[in-house]
Amino acid sequence: KQEVTQIPAALSVPEGENLVLNCSFTDSAIYNLQWFRQDPGKGLTSLLLIQSSQREQTSGRLNASLDKSSGRSTLYIAASQPGDSATYLCAVLSNYQLIWGAGTKLIIKP
Amino acid sequence: DVKVTQSSRYLVKRTGEKVFLECVQDMDHENMFWYRQDPGLGLRLIYFSYDVKMKEKGDIPEGYSVSREKKERFSLILESASTNQTSMYLCASTSAGQASSYNEQFFGPGTRLTVL
Repeated sequence: KQEVTQIPAALSVPEGENLVLNCSFTDSAIYNLQWFRQDPGKGLTSLLLIQSSQREQTSGRLNASLDKSSGRSTLYIAASQPGDSATYLCAVLSNYQLIWGAGTKLIIKP
Repeated sequence: DVKVTQSSRYLVKRTGEKVFLECVQDMDHENMFWYRQDPGLGLRLIYFSYDVKMKEKGDIPEGYSVSREKKERFSLILESASTNQTSMYLCASTSAGQASSYNEQFFGPGTRLTVL
């Protein structure tokens, strides 16, 4: 059974720092992996989608990598800003279902 | 611009009431999903639909039903609301193909339901 884990559960860094969020999954047979952002009390916003055949995707200051063989994905945020404060979730499409991590709550201190 | 809308942002209902949560997408997506999100439990799939009038149970369908009469609209129904159904409900949609590797999920803003 596919399981998705995100560590750490919470992270606080000063503004301007580069940071990495981690996502691991137990079964490498995935179709894709998606990173989302959720602001308090709101819905989810898709950030990046990595196909199973891809190694990374980039959007602005965000870069997501995928290593299927080791069951890992990272979301790299460059030059963090207070507006990046949110909960970041990863999800893998596996066996026709989207399996979710519990999220990492990120706080960027001004 | 991709759009998934949900009928209410906040809803307060009493135990035993019938509750309808509506979700509408304007992207002509075949697939639509209902999740609930609870602290410490993450997102859990309630029901999903791959086509009009077609529905499949997710991980936690008990106490819920769904309706998909039109492609753009997917309704979640709580037949008799209970306090343990107090939660954030999120609707999502994706393009066709159950296992398509291009299935990016788009979410609505969520409905925070409180059952008293």
